[in-house]
Amino acid sequence: AQSVAQPEDQVNVAEGNPLTVKCTYSVSGNPYLFWYVQYPNRGLQFLLKYITGDNLVKGSYGFEAEFNKSQTSFHLKKPSALVSDSALYFCAVRDRPGGKIIFGKGTRLHILP
Amino acid sequence: DTAVSQTPKYLVTQMGNDKSIKCEQNLGHDTMYWYKQDSKKFLKIMFSYNNKELIINETVPNRFSPKSPDKAHLNLHINSLELGDSAVYFCASSQDDLAGRLFFGPGTRLTVL
Repeated sequence: AQSVAQPEDQVNVAEGNPLTVKCTYSVSGNPYLFWYVQYPNRGLQFLLKYITGDNLVKGSYGFEAEFNKSQTSFHLKKPSALVSDSALYFCAVRDRPGGKIIFGKGTRLHILP
Repeated sequence: DTAVSQTPKYLVTQMGNDKSIKCEQNLGHDTMYWYKQDSKKFLKIMFSYNNKELIINETVPNRFSPKSPDKAHLNLHINSLELGDSAVYFCASSQDDLAGRLFFGPGTRLTVL
């Protein structure tokens, strides 16, 4: 069965500094990987996905993620954090087209002014 | 135009009551889902329908019954509500292909007293 781990409950970063939110996954076949963001009292919004191809994926709001097959990781990154990036971030994995998408427990990102 | 909409946004009710949550998507997607987000923000898939057919049915009490009258609608009916059912319920939809990311509704916050 597929699973996703987000080892950090919370990440604090000073505004302007680079940020990383970690994610590791486990699937039996090829992974389809996603990052979503949730702002308070809102639904989840899609940031980016990895299906195949380049290991570095670029997404919305200046975020990117690096797929590392050997480490089974898909860490979310941004070169320069903004206070408005403060939110709850979810990594998700799907093991086949049409299969269920499983979410990690979420990482709360705090960007300090 | 709202892509995925849910009603109601808030639902407060007594234990033992029966309630329904409605979801509609205007994206023309094949697949719709119900997710439950608990107080710790864990997101757990409950059900998935593809073209009105149930394809994913996780370990959910049979008090929860989804109904899909057509592929644009997926409703969730809950019988004999319990305190532990209090959560935010998210509807989502996706196109059923490799890159089928989820589009989420705004959520329904259910509080059982």
